[in-house]
Amino acid sequence: GQQVMQIPQYQHVQEGEDFTTYCNSSTTLSNIQWYKQRPGGHPVFLIQLVKSGEVKKQKRLTFQFGEAKKNSSLHITATQTTDVGTYFCAVYGEGSARQLTFGSGTQLTVLP
Amino acid sequence: DAGITQSPRHKVTETGTPVTLRCHQTENHRYMYWYRQDPGHGLRLIHYSYGVKDTDKGEVSDGYSVSRSKTEDFLLTLESATSSQTSVYFCAISEVQNYGYTFGSGTRLTVV
Repeated sequence: GQQVMQIPQYQHVQEGEDFTTYCNSSTTLSNIQWYKQRPGGHPVFLIQLVKSGEVKKQKRLTFQFGEAKKNSSLHITATQTTDVGTYFCAVYGEGSARQLTFGSGTQLTVLP
Repeated sequence: DAGITQSPRHKVTETGTPVTLRCHQTENHRYMYWYRQDPGHGLRLIHYSYGVKDTDKGEVSDGYSVSRSKTEDFLLTLESATSSQTSVYFCAISEVQNYGYTFGSGTRLTVV
C-alpha cells in the first residue's frame, strides 16, 4: 500500500508554543486527510486536502498540501492542553482508491 | 460518535477460540471498514465493505473474515484467535468514497 512518513514521532511543547507535524510521500498523492486521536479515544477526522498548494485553517490549526502534492503539514499555533493527542495523516494507496493508509502519527504532549 | 457503535468494548479470550466483533451504524452509510491499532504500527486496514455482501481484504487480513448481510452491521471474525491479534479494533464508516471516516469507540481485545 501507499507509504507515508510522518515526523516527528513525538513532540513535547510548552503550552503556548507552536507545533508542526509533517507527512511525506515519495509519490504524488490524490488527496490527504488528517485525523486527531485523544489518549484512550478514537481517531476523529479533521480535514481533507485535495488541491496542490491548498491551505485550510480551523481556528488555531493550519493545514497545507505541498505544491507537488507529495507532502503535507499540520501547524498548531499557541498550543493548549486540549491539543494533546496523536495526529495522523492518511492517504489512499497507489491504484487503490479504496484503502486509506494511515501514517504512524505524531504524539503531541503539551506541558502546562 | 453518534451513529456508530462497537461491541463489545472489551474482551478477553483464549488462544484458539473464535471471536466476533460487531460494528453497528445508524447512518445508512454505504462504506464500512475495520482497522486494528497497535503501538508502533498505527492504524492498519483489515477488511472493508462497499455495500451489502460486497467486502474485500485490506493490508492485514490474514486470520480475519468479515460479513455484511445488512447495511447497518459489519462483523469481524477472528476464526481462531492468536496472541498476535491482541489489539484495539476500530470500525469506521463513510458516506462517500474518498472522504473522511467516522470511527467507532473501539474494541480492546486481549488474547491470552
